Amino acid sequence: SQTIHQWPATLVQPVGSPLSLECTVEGTSNPNLYWYRQAAGRGLQLLFYSVGIGQISSEVPQNLSASRPQDRQFILSSKKLLLSDSGFYLCAWSGQGQNQPQHFGDGTRLSIL
Amino acid sequence: GNSVTQMEGPVTLSEEAFLTINCTYTATGYPSLFWYVQYPGEGLQLLLKATKADDKGSNKGFEATYRKETTSFHLEKGSVQVSDSAVYFCALSDQTGANNLFFGTGTRLTVIP
Repeated sequence: SQTIHQWPATLVQPVGSPLSLECTVEGTSNPNLYWYRQAAGRGLQLLFYSVGIGQISSEVPQNLSASRPQDRQFILSSKKLLLSDSGFYLCAWSGQGQNQPQHFGDGTRLSIL
Repeated sequence: GNSVTQMEGPVTLSEEAFLTINCTYTATGYPSLFWYVQYPGEGLQLLLKATKADDKGSNKGFEATYRKETTSFHLEKGSVQVSDSAVYFCALSDQTGANNLFFGTGTRLTVIP
């Protein structure tokens, strides 16, 4: 069966520090991959998605970047974190083709001090 | 464009009460529709889905019917339990190969004994 792993679960970082969040998927090949941010008490905002290695689409202008160095690995990064980057970050995957549901990781809670 | 409008919360019900959470959508084409559930501190879990008009998705006693004529996908459960306390998200997927999801803002449900 397919599984998705996200780490770390919790992260506290100072303003201006770099960030690297990692997400890996097992049990499937060539998945679509997604990064979302969920601000406290809010809905989900799609940040990036990828339909293949090295293919990254950005949905909103921001302080973050994403990379997909391997088929089942998706990394969210920042060179210098801002206070506004605080939130709950969720990685998800889906199969190829239309109407495929997305399956989410357990999330990373990021607090910027 | 694609969008989802979801019933504002929070919703508080007594155990064994009937639940309805309203969801309407705007979409180009014929999207697939989903309900996701998020328990405290966790990622989102797919609850149910429907891929075409008049389809009924069901899982764990929850149901939702894809109504094209009213562009709705309301979530219902006949008898809620304390363990159903969570945030519920309605979502639609675009018809591109990226399977991007458009989420509602979420509805927090609290069930009291």
